[in-house]
Amino acid sequence: DAKTTQPPSMDCAEGRAANLPCNHSTISGNEYVYWYRQIHSQGPQYIIHGLKNNETNEMASLIITEDRKSSTLILPHATLRDTAVYYCIVRVEFGGGYQKVTFGTGTKLQVIP
Amino acid sequence: DTGVSQDPRHKITKRGQNVTFRCDPISEHNRLYWYRQTLGQGPEFLTYFQNEAQLEKSRLLSDRFSAERPKGSFSTLEIQRTEQGDSAMYLCASTPLDGARIWPLHFGNGTRLTVT
Repeated sequence: DAKTTQPPSMDCAEGRAANLPCNHSTISGNEYVYWYRQIHSQGPQYIIHGLKNNETNEMASLIITEDRKSSTLILPHATLRDTAVYYCIVRVEFGGGYQKVTFGTGTKLQVIP
Repeated sequence: DTGVSQDPRHKITKRGQNVTFRCDPISEHNRLYWYRQTLGQGPEFLTYFQNEAQLEKSRLLSDRFSAERPKGSFSTLEIQRTEQGDSAMYLCASTPLDGARIWPLHFGNGTRLTVT
């Protein structure tokens, strides 16, 4: 799986959009971009994933650049409960294949009141 | 869907003791994974089960570690002769077997092990 690079930490004011960048310059054509987050003392929680197109769900939006070498996770209106470590992961998806996911150290997002 | 359940949430043990953790995956999830997470690091893959078969083990899983999933439902992770370096959060995750869709990992809240 391709390697990802994320800033170690970011701050965001409550109510503002949080934009978390991820660089995955060695991504290959069949690798998906996944985002998980981990709130203190909990297990990682899936947020969103995408291949080429931008994606949106009830939690967040994922913007993937046209060359797919980077992406941005957007939390449109950050709340204090969004304070967590956010992990960007790229991985190949095989039909029927299992998920041996490699996590990096992620970005620690601090939402400030 | 009651989520992935792990027990205990916390375990403190003395060096040299054996410990066992339990994971109950989401019902009907055929695939089960164990990860380990040390302070300040992301989770690291330890091992993977498909039903009762253990199909992959990481090099991180030394001979003192053993995982089982005897009936293809819950799983246990045992650490024998614990060492201080085993202190970590042990996370369990599960996914369905259906390969027609992309299934994200569903994680439990982990067992935090402290070896004194």
